[in-house]
Amino acid sequence: NAGVIQTPRHKVTGKGQEATLWCEPISGHSAVFWYRQTIVQGLEFLTYFRNQAPIDDSGMPKERFSAQMPNQSHSTLKIQSTQPQDSAVYLCASSLAGRVFFGKGTRLTVV
Amino acid sequence: GQQVKQSSPSLTVQEGGISILNCDYENDMFDYFAWYKKYPDNSPTLLISVRSNVDKREDGRLTVFLNKSGKHFSLHITASQPEDTAVYLCAAGASGGSNYKLTFGKGTLLTVTP
Repeated sequence: NAGVIQTPRHKVTGKGQEATLWCEPISGHSAVFWYRQTIVQGLEFLTYFRNQAPIDDSGMPKERFSAQMPNQSHSTLKIQSTQPQDSAVYLCASSLAGRVFFGKGTRLTVV
Repeated sequence: GQQVKQSSPSLTVQEGGISILNCDYENDMFDYFAWYKKYPDNSPTLLISVRSNVDKREDGRLTVFLNKSGKHFSLHITASQPEDTAVYLCAAGASGGSNYKLTFGKGTLLTVTP
C-alpha cells in the first residue's frame, strides 16, 4: 500500500499561470479531501468528495480554484491565474471508516 | 472564529516526563476527535482518535481524554522521548456517514529535551 500519492511534490509557477495538482487516493477509500497548509493559517479544509461526488467545497476560494474527481483513482485541484498568496503546501487525504490518511503534499510556490 | 484551537504554540518537556497537549473546540456537532503528528516536511500522521461516546482511550504511551461538557480534549504522552519531538495537531469532525471532514488546530510544537 503506497498510501495517498500526490504529484508533483514541488511546483513553481509564475504569477498568472495555471497549476494542476494531482492526487491518487488509497484504493478502496470512498472519501477524498483537499487541504491547504500555511504557516499563518495552519491546515485549512478546501473541499471533499465522497464516492467521486462533490460533497462540500465550503473552503474553496470561489474564484480561480476548482477540484474534480473524474474516477475513483484520482482527483485534481486546479488553480487558475495563480497569485503569490496561493503559495502553500496542498495536502490530499483519503478516508475509509473514519480514518483519514494524508499524502505528502505538493508544495506550490508562485513567483 | 477558530473552531478548533490549540492555545499553546509550543511545549518543552524533559525526557521521561509527561507531555500534555490541549485542544478546545466550539462546534457541538463534533463527535470525532483525533491527534496527528507532523514532522517537518511530512504529512500529518494519525496517532490516536476517539468518538464522542467514550471519555478516554489509551494506546501504549498515548492517552486521549475527552471532556464533552467543557468542549476540550487532550493528549497525554507518558515517558516522553526525544523522538517525540514534532508538531502535534488536534482535529475534530462531525460524522457525515462514515467519513469525517476534519477541522484542525494550528498545532503545538513539542520539544522533548534529553
